[in-house]
Amino acid sequence: AQKITQTQPGMFVQEKEAVTLDCTYDTSDQSYGLFWYKQPSSGEMIFLIYQGSYDEQNATEGRYSLNFQKARKSANLVISASQLGDSAMYFCAMREGYNAGNMLTFGGGTRLMVKP
Amino acid sequence: GAVVSQHPSWVICKSGTSVKIECRSLDFQATTMFWYRQFPKQSLMLMATSNEGSKATYEQGVEKDKFLINHASLTLSTLTVTSAHPEDSSFYICSARDTGANYGYTFGSGTRLTVV
Repeated sequence: AQKITQTQPGMFVQEKEAVTLDCTYDTSDQSYGLFWYKQPSSGEMIFLIYQGSYDEQNATEGRYSLNFQKARKSANLVISASQLGDSAMYFCAMREGYNAGNMLTFGGGTRLMVKP
Repeated sequence: GAVVSQHPSWVICKSGTSVKIECRSLDFQATTMFWYRQFPKQSLMLMATSNEGSKATYEQGVEKDKFLINHASLTLSTLTVTSAHPEDSSFYICSARDTGANYGYTFGSGTRLTVV
């Protein structure tokens, strides 16, 4: 079974509007971490936001927020006020277990395209 | 902030030759390095995990004799693709365990390998 599932291969959003990128995960661990990364065409992985499994509040970082629904095992990324520079691939990833050095498992990614 | 310098950023080599990719942590000690491969329009797939001073642990299906990983110091890990073939053409990216930044992971900028 896939550990991280991103069901939207591609998404369009109008500039200045908000967009939600979906991510569901599967783990039997009680302690885990969820990450979102942005990958522009240059290939670098840009860290956006992190949510720990024990965090009670949804994580926010500027225009990025994470809609964490633990019971549903979903960790959707919300980007507010989309900008043209937001056009990129977005990956959801999970670290299982408490150890910050454990490997990350990535979802298949969503390509976001922002329309002017 | 934490930086992992990855070189080269791109390389073209002839079939049958070997290519070395370096990842160097510039301002922290990377006890663990993760090596990922990303084929076009796909996600990042973990190839191997290397710990300083010990042998790398390879994921199932990754040929350890073909993808040689050396992690001889706390600041340098290398991946050598031996006897490269066109099917090895891919984007290779490293990620260092970094307990001080980005919730544990700092990525290199990636290497685009083309084998002709």
